[in-house]
Amino acid sequence: DTAVSQTPKYLVTQMGNDKSIKCEQNLGHDTMYWYKQDSKKFLKIMFSYNNKELIINETVPNRFSPKSPDKAHLNLHINSLELGDSAVYFCASSHGVNYGYTFGSGTRLTVV
Amino acid sequence: KQEVTQIPAALSVPEGENLVLNCSFTDSAIYNLQWFRQDPGKGLTSLLLIQSSQREQTSGRLNASLDKSSGRSTLYIAASQPGDSATYLCAVKGDSWGKLQFGAGTQVVVTP
Repeated sequence: DTAVSQTPKYLVTQMGNDKSIKCEQNLGHDTMYWYKQDSKKFLKIMFSYNNKELIINETVPNRFSPKSPDKAHLNLHINSLELGDSAVYFCASSHGVNYGYTFGSGTRLTVV
Repeated sequence: KQEVTQIPAALSVPEGENLVLNCSFTDSAIYNLQWFRQDPGKGLTSLLLIQSSQREQTSGRLNASLDKSSGRSTLYIAASQPGDSATYLCAVKGDSWGKLQFGAGTQVVVTP
């Protein structure tokens, strides 16, 4: 199936831990994104990579570090997790500025 | 700074009625506008993508219009069904890096 896939789907962890979320797309898109959906369901961009290069870095704590080993993968590593990091994190990809987005199914992160 | 507003925030209609969902944006310099559907606890499903040069797009019972000069888009869903119950999000792509700016969504309930 052609898609954007994220793992894990659910992640429950304690404060202070470090965790990673992985994303892969097999759509041949050249741009990938991380979005955060907060408790009020509002979606906001965090990062974007185009052909493995960081092009968008919104005001995100530096505990969040994206990594793109190739244009089909974009991972998100979070250090020293805090309660406020609890949210749903969505990965997405797009072919270019005139194309739409395809989203993954999300990773629900709960920090306890 | 682009701001996207969706009205109403919630909508409940009996089955068979037509749905009208509104989206407005403050900066008319957009590349495109995309409507998504999100079911509870799920990811985002793309419904329609309208390029800035287009006035409308149609897919089955769905029709989306775009008036870029006035900063408005409307999603029409004809003959609503209980399966249409979901949150509908509109998002505009306003820069060449492809960042999507989302509205807060309209939560739709279609009662049998």
